[in-house]
Amino acid sequence: DGGITQSPKYLFRKEGQNVTLSCEQNLNHDAMYWYRQDPGQGLRLIYYSQIVNDFQKGDIAEGYSVSREKKESFPLTVTSAQKNPTAFYLCASSPQGGGNQPQHFGDGTRLSIL
Amino acid sequence: AQSVAQPEDQVNVAEGNPLTVKCTYSVSGNPYLFWYVQYPNRGLQFLLKYITGDNLVKGSYGFEAEFNKSQTSFHLKKPSALVSDSALYFCAVRTNTGGFKTIFGAGTRLFVKA
Repeated sequence: DGGITQSPKYLFRKEGQNVTLSCEQNLNHDAMYWYRQDPGQGLRLIYYSQIVNDFQKGDIAEGYSVSREKKESFPLTVTSAQKNPTAFYLCASSPQGGGNQPQHFGDGTRLSIL
Repeated sequence: AQSVAQPEDQVNVAEGNPLTVKCTYSVSGNPYLFWYVQYPNRGLQFLLKYITGDNLVKGSYGFEAEFNKSQTSFHLKKPSALVSDSALYFCAVRTNTGGFKTIFGAGTRLFVKA
């Protein structure tokens, strides 16, 4: 079955620590996205990538970094500069950026501060 | 600027009764409209989309949505609610001129009482 795998499911960050969230897809999609979900605020776009070795900032990129070295993988690093990292993080993909195709989502990583 | 509004934080219905979850949007250009559902600690699942053509769109699990251009609305409906429909529902919009970005509403929590 094709899909998106996010790991770990739960993650705890200590003060001053960087942590990396994994996202892997086997859907052969070109575009991948990272969203942050906070209660009552819907989804906010952190970063997106339309093709390998290219990515763009979304609406709330400060304190986050990404890489896209392989089509299948789009890891997100939450750096110590992100002062309020507690949230539910969702990775998504679509056949290409834009267009009329829906996004496919992973089951998320819940990040908390220790 | 593109925006999506889901005016109700929560909708309560009795099992077997019809349900409606409201969504209005504002875009410049022709909209692509989507509904997604989210169960606790899971990612979003695609329900249905409107691209063009018939204003009534049928989707998964018996859900349908009606596109109304004059009212800029895309309300989600189901003729007979099930307890298992209880979840968080998101409306989303993208335009054919807006590039990659999808705008999500804040979400509406649906409670179906037995």
